[in-house]
Order: sequence, then C-alpha cells, then structure tokens
Amino acid sequence: GQNIDQPTEMTATEGAIVQINCTYQTSGFNGLFWYQQHAGEAPTFLSYNVLDGLEEKGRFSSFLSRSKGYSYLLLKELQMKDSASYLCAVRDWRRDDKIIFGKGTRLHILP
Amino acid sequence: KAGVTQTPRYLIKTRGQQVTLSCSPISGHRSVSWYQQTPGQGLQFLFEYFSETQRNKGNFPGRFSGRQFSNSRSEMNVSTLELGDSALYLCASSLESVGTNEKLFFGSGTQLSVL
Repeated sequence: GQNIDQPTEMTATEGAIVQINCTYQTSGFNGLFWYQQHAGEAPTFLSYNVLDGLEEKGRFSSFLSRSKGYSYLLLKELQMKDSASYLCAVRDWRRDDKIIFGKGTRLHILP
Repeated sequence: KAGVTQTPRYLIKTRGQQVTLSCSPISGHRSVSWYQQTPGQGLQFLFEYFSETQRNKGNFPGRFSGRQFSNSRSEMNVSTLELGDSALYLCASSLESVGTNEKLFFGSGTQLSVL
C-alpha cells in the first residue's frame, strides 16, 4: 500500500520561515511533488524531487531523503499570500506510476 | 496558451441521478487524470487517460467511469449518485503519461453537490 502523512494545519508569522514535513511509505518510489492550493482554486505545481537533496526555487525549497521516506517544503520570508494548502504527492512505479496525494497541510500566516 | 478547462464549475444533483463532467486539457497535452477532493480525504485518484486509453484506475466503484476523445478532451461520468459523492472533482493534464517526470496542470474543478 501507500501512505503519505503531513500535518493537517500549521501557523506561522509573516516574514518568518516554515517547514512542512511529509513522510511516505511506498514500495515503488518514483518521484515526489509539492503543490500549492489556495482556497477555491486549482492546485499549482511548486517542486519535484526524485534524487536525494535540496531543490531551491526562490523563496521555496524542497528536500528529499529516499532512505528515510521523508521530504520537506521550506518557505522563507513568508508573505500573507502564502496562506494556502500544501499538498505532498508521490509517484509509485509499482502502481503504474500513479501520483498519490497526501491530505495536505493548511498553512495560516499571521501578520 | 489556455489552461485546463473544466465545465461546469458548479453542479447540484439529487441522489440517484447521473452526472457528466467535462475537461479540456492544455493544447498538446495527451494525458488527463481525474481526482476527487473532499475535506476529509484530500485528493483521491480516480483514473488517468492517455491517448484515449485508460492507463490507470483508482479504488472507486464502477459507478465512476470516464473516457477520452481523440482531441484529448475527457469526460467523467458518475451514475446513481450518492450523498457521499459530493466533492470537488479536479482534472489534471500533462504532456506525456504521468509515468515520466511530467508535472500535472490542474483545472479549477467542478464542485458537485448531491442532495
């Protein structure tokens, strides 16, 4: 089977840094995605990791450790517009490369 | 380039009815995936179509079906609607099959309410 766990909700302050963790269990790991979804809108792609290490893209970075089944999304210099849900998703080659999503982490930014 | 378009945006149906949702992918994209999103379960995979063939299927009952046309547009159908089918249905397209490292581009979804 496949299990993807991430915190349900987090709160952070504008200008601060927040780390959203994602752990997964899968027998056929073939890549991990992070998506952002604002309320009432479509999810939009943030990052993709398939090898261990850190991928940096502006204020957002994503880290992957395949041996630990662990990823995190790091958001720096938080802005109010970063209030959204962040979805971790894993592709599983043993399941015909389905992309399976976690339930998402709702991030609240306080002024 | 236009994004992924889903119609209708909102839909209200009653139990027992059937419904058809439509998705037009980004021009040139050949893969269309469908997801059901609810507050309690998050995004759950329904199925993926690639070049008019169902490539992958999630764990949903047979009441949920779909198809893809030669122009890559896709429809999904839910028959004999149940209250629990109330959800946001999201369509996502990608250039190639999701077996590559292609990212998904999502539409804004169809919010289905079953009364």
